[in-house]
Amino acid sequence: GAGVSQTPSNKVTEKGKYVELRCDPISGHTALYWYRQSLGQGPEFLIYFQGTGAADDSGLPNDRFFAVRPEGSVSTLKIQRTERGDSAVYLCASSLTPARSQAFFGQGTRLTVV
Amino acid sequence: AQTVTQSQPEMSVQEAETVTLSCTYDTSESDYYLFWYKQPPSRQMILVIRQEAYKQQNATENRFSVNFQKAAKSFSLKISDSQLGDAAMYFCAYTPEDYGGATNKLIFGTGTLLAVQP
Repeated sequence: GAGVSQTPSNKVTEKGKYVELRCDPISGHTALYWYRQSLGQGPEFLIYFQGTGAADDSGLPNDRFFAVRPEGSVSTLKIQRTERGDSAVYLCASSLTPARSQAFFGQGTRLTVV
Repeated sequence: AQTVTQSQPEMSVQEAETVTLSCTYDTSESDYYLFWYKQPPSRQMILVIRQEAYKQQNATENRFSVNFQKAAKSFSLKISDSQLGDAAMYFCAYTPEDYGGATNKLIFGTGTLLAVQP
């Protein structure tokens, strides 16, 4: 695609529910990143994929968070048993290679847990 | 641990004037990369400018330039001839070198909200 696409743009869910956030990277980009941006903060790294595998998941806050990229393209961030503290904008970025290439960001999914 | 600090939560500038946004960082690495990103209300992060730590020359992109002081661990952004479209959140970001270059596992500051007055 022309850019990184994230769906949905906004998501409201009830505490305790399960949510999935989708990221469509730029075609051909092998590296994909998830960030979380809480209100008034800069984005914080969650996880990075190189191809289908999670190369670095050190930023995932706990085991309620999980992400997949089964075919090396689209990625889904999954959050179980959502909590109000999970409310944030979740940003996805992709780059042609893991290093020495610019990352392009999507417009994010604003998740609100009520 | 590496950290990035932006001490100016908000800044304001008159259209056509110049403004400087401040950023300091802390790292024990010798090779790394620094970035300034712009985030308009659309939420999409847009790369404004990048600087390689091994380069002494300050990076410039049209109206945007940086003042990189490696010893002081300071990386400020200067916007010249400010335009209404420059109004946005600006984030300073850091990444260490890996794979022989910059990765996109970025550490961001808390941002500076820039207002441009007509």
